[in-house]
Amino acid sequence: GAVVSQHPSWVICKSGTSVKIECRSLDFQATTMFWYRQFPKQSLMLMATSNEGSKATYEQGVEKDKFLINHASLTLSTLTVTSAHPEDSSFYICSARANRGLDEQYFGPGTRLTVT
Amino acid sequence: QKEVEQNSGPLSVPEGAIASLNCTYSDRVSQSFFWYRQYSGKSPELIMSIYSNGDKEDGRFTAQLNKASQYVSLLIRDSQPSDSATYLCASDTGGGNKLTFGTGTQLKVEL
Repeated sequence: GAVVSQHPSWVICKSGTSVKIECRSLDFQATTMFWYRQFPKQSLMLMATSNEGSKATYEQGVEKDKFLINHASLTLSTLTVTSAHPEDSSFYICSARANRGLDEQYFGPGTRLTVT
Repeated sequence: QKEVEQNSGPLSVPEGAIASLNCTYSDRVSQSFFWYRQYSGKSPELIMSIYSNGDKEDGRFTAQLNKASQYVSLLIRDSQPSDSATYLCASDTGGGNKLTFGTGTQLKVEL
């Protein structure tokens, strides 16, 4: 159990366009989902915490108007990168925390975004 | 600032040996600790979680927690080449809603 999916697995887009990434918990309900970004040879950087039915909490330095997060149900959160630029090219990974009284987070397979 | 520290490595061990990965954390409020394995180009995979002092064993993996010393470790017995990856240590920041990750230790298991 505890499977998290992401779609798409990779995407190439042109500078100035927007890209939406979906994160789904397949076999459990997730009140809380997290969005991370990882640049090559660096560790995970938490971008925001997404709670079902409420506004996301963004980490310091992350532009909430650029990275739009929606968590409309207990199994789906989306991240939209608006007006993407080449510096937004990165590996975006979501994770979900199962509602089981434990703190374990399960990661999706990630989405590799390339902005040309 | 709450931090989780790991030696970046690489840590090289021969096949069949015990690999020992270490991690220290600064936030004394942390209650939950996790080890994730990340292969190159892939997302992290949860290996172990530990919540209380002492050892926790799961197959070839043993996690050790010492809250007094603010120290977490992961032992991998009978290391295999397929264990070669980056191992991330993480702790909760009190309340369990966010995890703080270390920068990871690269493990290389050599034939």
